[in-house]
Amino acid sequence: GAVVSQHPSRVICKSGTSVKIECRSLDFQATTMFWYRQFPKKSLMLMATSNEGSKATYEQGVEKDKFLINHASLTLSTLTVTSAHPEDSSFYICSASAGFSGNTIYFGEGSWLTVV
Amino acid sequence: GNSVTQMEGPVTLSEEAFLTINCTYTATGYPSLFWYVQYPGEGLQLLLKATKADDKGSNKGFEATYRKETTSFHLEKGSVQVSDSAVYFCALSGNRDDKIIFGKGTRLHILP
Repeated sequence: GAVVSQHPSRVICKSGTSVKIECRSLDFQATTMFWYRQFPKKSLMLMATSNEGSKATYEQGVEKDKFLINHASLTLSTLTVTSAHPEDSSFYICSASAGFSGNTIYFGEGSWLTVV
Repeated sequence: GNSVTQMEGPVTLSEEAFLTINCTYTATGYPSLFWYVQYPGEGLQLLLKATKADDKGSNKGFEATYRKETTSFHLEKGSVQVSDSAVYFCALSGNRDDKIIFGKGTRLHILP
């Protein structure tokens, strides 16, 4: 079964509103979680690295004020897309690691966001 | 910085054909290498991995060998099935963190 769960799997929101996506590690404590975005027919782009109890580290070109990441516990990280626009429509996927190099990374099922 | 380059698709093959999807990488140190698969409408799944040079990862009939001398990790399968139709991503993670860098993906279509 899944060891990393994302919710919701699909969400439609109106332009200008905010939407939150949750990523939970089910069987282990994830000191580090990663958020990716996949554009249609493109690769996955790493957006940010989320460390429990500290601020997320964003990749170059990713707006930290638009994509708010919170990692308040060892089993939960959230991505909030604020003031969503149609161009934010995408597939967002998280991954989780127990925190040491070489450890297996588990991916969530992903969340499809459509902004109308 | 680290990067992954894989052959562009789509790749279209007939069932039972031999498959090769090329992947090369650029990295400092000794990265771990992965192949992930994304079936239509689903999330990413780890297909196989190799963590050191000359290691061979294998799963579901797919194989890939970590070649440090050629910085490659080509994916192969001797006889593909229609159910193998998916997007395949080559990826690496550095030896200092678990950040995964993905290639652009190769879409595979298998015709019956």
